[in-house]
Amino acid sequence: GQQVMQIPQYQHVQEGEDFTTYCNSSTTLSNIQWYKQRPGGHPVFLIQLVKSGEVKKQKRLTFQFGEAKKNSSLHITATQTTDVGTYFCVGGNQFYFGTGTSLTVIP
Amino acid sequence: DAMVIQNPRYQVTQFGKPVTLSCSQTLNHNVMYWYQQKSSQAPKLLFHYYDKDFNNEADTPDNFQSRRPNTSFCFLDIRSPGLGDAAMYLCATSRKNIPTYNEQFFGPGTRLTVL
Repeated sequence: GQQVMQIPQYQHVQEGEDFTTYCNSSTTLSNIQWYKQRPGGHPVFLIQLVKSGEVKKQKRLTFQFGEAKKNSSLHITATQTTDVGTYFCVGGNQFYFGTGTSLTVIP
Repeated sequence: DAMVIQNPRYQVTQFGKPVTLSCSQTLNHNVMYWYQQKSSQAPKLLFHYYDKDFNNEADTPDNFQSRRPNTSFCFLDIRSPGLGDAAMYLCATSRKNIPTYNEQFFGPGTRLTVL
C-alpha cells in the first residue's frame, strides 16, 4: 500500500530559526494536504496542493509540491512558539497520514 | 458554528466490554472518517463513509464496526476492547467533489481507556 514518510521525525529549533519538514511518497500523488496538530489537540487543515511544482504561501509558511508529485515540503520562516506541534502530510485521496514531524520551539 | 462533535470526550471501559463512540456534524459533509491515534503516532484510518457507502481499510480489525444512520451521525463500535485498543479516536468529515476529497475537519476526539 501507499506509504508516506516524513523527515525529520523530531526537530528542536531556537525561536527565530527556520524549520523545514519533508514528505516523500512511494507513489505519485493526486494531491497532498498538510495538517498541524498541537499537543493535546486534533489535526487542523493547513493547505492542499494539487498541481505539479505548485508553491503556496501562508504568511511565514511555504508549501511546495514536487514536480513528480511524489514529494512535498513545508518551510516555516522565523519560527515562533505558536508554531509548536506536529505537522503531518496526507497524500492523495487515500487519507494516509505521513509519519509526522514534531516541532519544538525553544524561546 | 458548524462543527464536528464527539461524545464522550473520555471513555473508560473494561477489557472485553463493548463500547460505542459517537460523532455528529453540522457541516452537512458527505464523507465521514474514523481514525485511531496512539501516543506519538500519526492518525490511522480505520474506515470512512462516502454518503452511505462504507469503506473499510484492509487492516482494520473485525473488532471495529461502524454505523452511519444519517448524514449527521456516525458511530464507532468496539465489540470486545483489548488493552491495545486504548487510544484517541478521531472523527473527521469532508466534502467530496469528484475527483478529489476536500480538507478534513476533525472533532476533538474521544480518549478511550481500557482497564
